[in-house]
Amino acid sequence: EAGVVQSPRYKIIEKKQPVAFWCNPISGHNTLYWYRQNLGQGPELLIRYENEEAVDDSQLPKDRFSAERLKGVDSTLKIQPAELGDSAVYLCASSSAGVRSDTQYFGPGTRLTVL
Amino acid sequence: AQRVTQPEKLLSVFKGAPVELKCNYSYSGSPELFWYVQYSRQRLQLLLRHISRESIKGFTADLNKGETSFHLKKPFAQEEDSAMYYCALSGYNDMRFGAGTRLTVKP
Repeated sequence: EAGVVQSPRYKIIEKKQPVAFWCNPISGHNTLYWYRQNLGQGPELLIRYENEEAVDDSQLPKDRFSAERLKGVDSTLKIQPAELGDSAVYLCASSSAGVRSDTQYFGPGTRLTVL
Repeated sequence: AQRVTQPEKLLSVFKGAPVELKCNYSYSGSPELFWYVQYSRQRLQLLLRHISRESIKGFTADLNKGETSFHLKKPFAQEEDSAMYYCALSGYNDMRFGAGTRLTVKP
């Protein structure tokens, strides 16, 4: 079992450029989360999916961030255009069901640097 | 406002000493509480959750609703416990993490 897979692991871009992150959750996991983790902080939830439906995207900056989870499996998170303040680690996690007590399994993260 | 506070960014103890990592929360309702851990060069992973009332790797955590705390404790720290620890809260439609505490266990 590979666990949650994320790519790329590292990305360096110049400001105003677009960037996309990809996540493949654990097989059979219906719930998928995207988090942003700034340096010295804990993960901050951006969006949560139940299958292909975004059930919580209140923290997603919708002017520049977008996400999709077609067919309820893989997901992509996009930033367009990127700003300096977007430099962070972007984490994807999945869980088997959308219950609050469920264990979340995290991917290795994508470290984004915006120059 | 819903919040998770870990007052100590850094905590250092000697091997064999007791350790307590503090976590306080603010939530209007009945949250689910967790401790997640990240060892060096590894992924963030669940350590334990209050609903299970279990001890994992010698760690325990008790939910104190009166003090709104969920402190993580271990009576005898080991060097392999050195890691970053995050307290997390799952609400009805919300998931929040504290800023984390870096625990270092010295030999």
